[in-house]
Amino acid sequence: DAKTTQPTSMDCAEGRAANLPCNHSTISGNEYVYWYRQIHSQGPQYIIHGLKNNETNEMASLIITEDRKSSTLILPHATLRDTAVYYCIVRAGPGGSQGNLIFGKGTKLSVKP
Amino acid sequence: KAGVTQTPRYLIKTRGQQVTLSCSPISGHRSVSWYQQTPGQGLQFLFEYFSETQRNKGNFPGRFSGRQFSNSRSEMNVSTLELGDSALYLCASSLGQKETQYFGPGTRLLVL
Repeated sequence: DAKTTQPTSMDCAEGRAANLPCNHSTISGNEYVYWYRQIHSQGPQYIIHGLKNNETNEMASLIITEDRKSSTLILPHATLRDTAVYYCIVRAGPGGSQGNLIFGKGTKLSVKP
Repeated sequence: KAGVTQTPRYLIKTRGQQVTLSCSPISGHRSVSWYQQTPGQGLQFLFEYFSETQRNKGNFPGRFSGRQFSNSRSEMNVSTLELGDSALYLCASSLGQKETQYFGPGTRLLVL
């Protein structure tokens, strides 16, 4: 699985959009970009994933560059409850033989009032 | 639909003991994966089960084992506990292998 690079930490003002970048320059054609977040001492929470097109759900939007070497997770209106560690993970899609996620250190997002 | 449940939520054991943790996946999910999270090593993959068979295993010693039952529920066992086994143990379920994984709240194990 391709390796990802994320900033160690970021701050965001409450009510503003939080834009979390991720670099995955070695991603291969069949690999998806997944985002999870972990609020202190809880299990990771799935946010969104995508292959090449931009994706949006009720939690966030995922913007993947055309060359697929980087992506940005957007939380449109950050709240204090969005304070968490955000993990960007690249993994092969459905149908493969191995399903484990490889977690890096993630980005610690602090939403401030 | 109910999420992934893990029992117990908290556990205290002493060195040398063994422990069994349980995970009930989301209804209909057939794949269960286990992860260990420690402050020093972060989130690390332990093993994955699908259709009662271990499909993938991380780099952990043989003291760590698991199994999956016909109803997709899974257990993991750690024998001869060491202080370094103190961690948050997370279970994740998915419809199938490499489908989106959904995590439970974890079991926090403290080894004294």
